[in-house]
Amino acid sequence: DGGITQSPKYLFRKEGQNVTLSCEQNLNHDAMYWYRQDPGQGLRLIYYSQIVNDFQKGDIAEGYSVSREKKESFPLTVTSAQKNPTAFYLCASSLRDRGRGFYNEQFFGPGTRLTVL
Amino acid sequence: QQQVKQSPQSLIVQKGGISIINCAYENTAFDYFPWYQQFPGKGPALLIAIRPDVSEKKEGRFTISFNKSAKQFSLHIMDSQPGDSATYFCAATPDVRFGAGTRLTVKP
Repeated sequence: DGGITQSPKYLFRKEGQNVTLSCEQNLNHDAMYWYRQDPGQGLRLIYYSQIVNDFQKGDIAEGYSVSREKKESFPLTVTSAQKNPTAFYLCASSLRDRGRGFYNEQFFGPGTRLTVL
Repeated sequence: QQQVKQSPQSLIVQKGGISIINCAYENTAFDYFPWYQQFPGKGPALLIAIRPDVSEKKEGRFTISFNKSAKQFSLHIMDSQPGDSATYFCAATPDVRFGAGTRLTVKP
């Protein structure tokens, strides 16, 4: 079964703690993304990566960090610098359209709900 | 910086009715327009997508209409069902921009 997995499904963080959210895909997709979704809100891009060992900041990168050591994996760390981390976090991946040179639709994981205690 | 504007924010439709969600974009470099459906507590799932070389694409009860000159596209859900109640997002690529989402409620 091909797809994107995220773990854990629910995560609780104490004040001042760093936590890492896992994202794995076996779709052989080139690009991976992290989004944050607040209740009743849209998707805000945190970070994205188009190739191993390279990533770019999205619109709300402050307080977050990522790594892309393997094509299949794109973990997100929510640091203590992120003052309001309670949200639903979504990971996605997409395949590069060789003809267009760009990326088409994204495939999303099931999400991780992070709550700060 | 919202490059894809989506409306309405919420929509209530009776069962069997037509649901219409509209999106407008600014960047003429956008050349692929997917729509996503998201149920509460789940990740968005690709519903249907269109390229600007066609004006309409239909898949079952879901249709995308595209107006390249107006830089607008819309999702039509025919014979709306309570199971269609979800949040719908339009998007545009490259550059990966999402609309703000429309919460659709279909009343039985």
